[in-house]
Amino acid sequence: QVQLVESGGGLVKPGGSLRLSCAASGFTFSDYYMSWIRQAPGKGLEWVSYISSSGSTIYYADSVKGRFTISRDNAKNSLYLQMNSLRAEDTAVFYCARGHDYGGIAFDYWGQGTLVTVSS
Amino acid sequence: QSVLTQPPSASGTPGQRVTISCSGSSSNIGSNTVNWYQQLPGTAPKLLIYSNNQRPSGVPDRFSGSKSGTSASLAISGLQSEDEADYYCATWDGSLNGSYVFGTGTKVTVL
Repeated sequence: QVQLVESGGGLVKPGGSLRLSCAASGFTFSDYYMSWIRQAPGKGLEWVSYISSSGSTIYYADSVKGRFTISRDNAKNSLYLQMNSLRAEDTAVFYCARGHDYGGIAFDYWGQGTLVTVSS
Repeated sequence: QSVLTQPPSASGTPGQRVTISCSGSSSNIGSNTVNWYQQLPGTAPKLLIYSNNQRPSGVPDRFSGSKSGTSASLAISGLQSEDEADYYCATWDGSLNGSYVFGTGTKVTVL
């Protein structure tokens, strides 16, 4: 069965860095778009970044552009998010999600999330 | 702030029909398909509807979606207690450099 397991979250000071990982299993990872989506405590969902199956196409939300970098290693079935210059407003649960092309991309499987807390 | 607007809350008694609206613009809903996600308390979101009105395997047929112009709707017929959750519409926005946008979210309460 499809599984997405995030790791790497934790407490970091403002201005610091953190690298999130998402281990995928149960499907052919290299066939799918992948994305990071976050949810601040008590708030709604916010899309963060997206990477195509080959890694050749990448998009970022304006709120993280220039600070976050998405990448993937298809040989290791893994998705990553390098987060630099972290701010208090980046505090959130970060989910990795699989993008399925139904003729438009929808995120059909999600991990359980990893909490990132940015605080001094 | 989100570019897709939903009512903050909706409610109904068991067995009733509840409808949630999602209002966007020509650059998002008007030109792309709409997806809906359900988030039960304390859990990760789950895909509920894709391509405006399609249900993934395992989603009960009492959930239905529709789209018209720059708006979309999610209907829950025969409301059940386990439907109490947050619901989000979402789509791509061509004016935001490939961004995927979520709605503001609607909390459904079963009275």
